[in-house]
Amino acid sequence: DIVLTQSPATLSLSPGERATLSCGASQSIRRSYLAWYQQKPGLAPRLLIYDASTRATGIPDRFSGSESGTDFTLTISRVEPEDVAVYYCQQYGSSPGTFGQGTKVEIK
Amino acid sequence: EVQLVQSGAEVREPGESLRISCQGSGYSFTSYWIGWVRQTPGKGLEWMGVIYPGDSDIRYSPSFQGQVTISADKSINTSYLQWSSLKASDTAMYYCVRLFGVILTSPFDHWGQGTPVTVSS
Repeated sequence: DIVLTQSPATLSLSPGERATLSCGASQSIRRSYLAWYQQKPGLAPRLLIYDASTRATGIPDRFSGSESGTDFTLTISRVEPEDVAVYYCQQYGSSPGTFGQGTKVEIK
Repeated sequence: EVQLVQSGAEVREPGESLRISCQGSGYSFTSYWIGWVRQTPGKGLEWMGVIYPGDSDIRYSPSFQGQVTISADKSINTSYLQWSSLKASDTAMYYCVRLFGVILTSPFDHWGQGTPVTVSS
């Protein structure tokens, strides 16, 4: 199975700051089949980004995704209080699809 | 509007059986893969398996093969996840998901609200 390692575990930011979340894969991910999900407290995860850099329907453009080899990044250009959540990456190019352990974003 | 509505919370004792459900609406139920995901504090999110309701093609993660059964009844747009003999380690939140595309290598674009399952004596 492909192992995804997310860092940092927790990110504490002030409103308006830039958030950079990382996801490293243990091996190459086929066709950039990597997604990012946002899970707010008490709710189900929500798809933010798929195919490494394509925003899902209705996702604000302050969220963006990028990749460099086996390293993937989710960037929130200007963090807002409503962005408090845990963010997960997932690869779906190889079965079984696997998730990272998550990065918690807090607002100072 | 695409919706996945799951059955309610369950509490069972070890060794008991259980079936939870997920009803899809707002789209062609037989044209998209439906999957199940387990979430626990210790192991996080885990992909359990998927079913294509159109022809009942089922794929399991090796970690869950033989531990659970996934099925679907396309006449009522519903998928099921069932256990024949629950263990305490099955205690978790279970989500059903819809795969974004018609192919198996797709992200999960819609999620159910989750069904918490507690297994305790």
